[in-house]
Amino acid sequence: GAGVSQSPRYKVAKRGQDVALRCDPISGHVSLFWYQQALGQGPEFLTYFQNEAQLDKSGLPSDRFFAERPEGSVSTLKIQRTQQEDSAVYLCASSSLTDNYGYTFGSGTRLTVV
Amino acid sequence: ELKVEQNPLFLSMQEGKNYTIYCNYSTTSDRLYWYRQDPGKSLESLFVLLSNGAVKQEGRLMASLDTKARLSTLHITAAVHDLSATYFCAVEVSNFGNEKLTFGTGTRLTIIP
Repeated sequence: GAGVSQSPRYKVAKRGQDVALRCDPISGHVSLFWYQQALGQGPEFLTYFQNEAQLDKSGLPSDRFFAERPEGSVSTLKIQRTQQEDSAVYLCASSSLTDNYGYTFGSGTRLTVV
Repeated sequence: ELKVEQNPLFLSMQEGKNYTIYCNYSTTSDRLYWYRQDPGKSLESLFVLLSNGAVKQEGRLMASLDTKARLSTLHITAAVHDLSATYFCAVEVSNFGNEKLTFGTGTRLTIIP
């Protein structure tokens, strides 16, 4: 596609509910990233994939967070047993190893845990 | 641990004035990025700075990079209302192909008519 597509755009979850957020990167982009942006803050790194390999998951805040990219294209970020502190915008970005223009970010999924 | 600091955090300025946003970072980096974010929107890429002394300009915005001082600046010339947004710098460190961005705290810019 022309850009990075994320769905859903908004998600309201009851505390304790599991959620799954989807990211469809730019076709052919090898690298895919997930960031978490709390209200009024800068995005913070969660995890990084190169193709289907998850090379860095050091930013995942707890073992309730899990990300996958099984076929090296679409990625899913799953949050189990959501807590109020998980409320944030989750941004996905993709990039090409040969692209000097860096990263293209999606519109994000705004997660609100009530 | 890489730290990226921006200042000021908030900036309110009149149309037609000039101002500079500063971005300091704590370790050697590969690239430095500037992004714009409008309320409720995603990040729009403004500049990618690759090397020491790099300067890029687009319209009323100009970005520069001093890798020795670990400092980047975003200069706004003759501000107009359309430039009101939050601006982030982000530092990329690539470690054996493992790359990621570390963002600054952001500068919320408000241009007053």
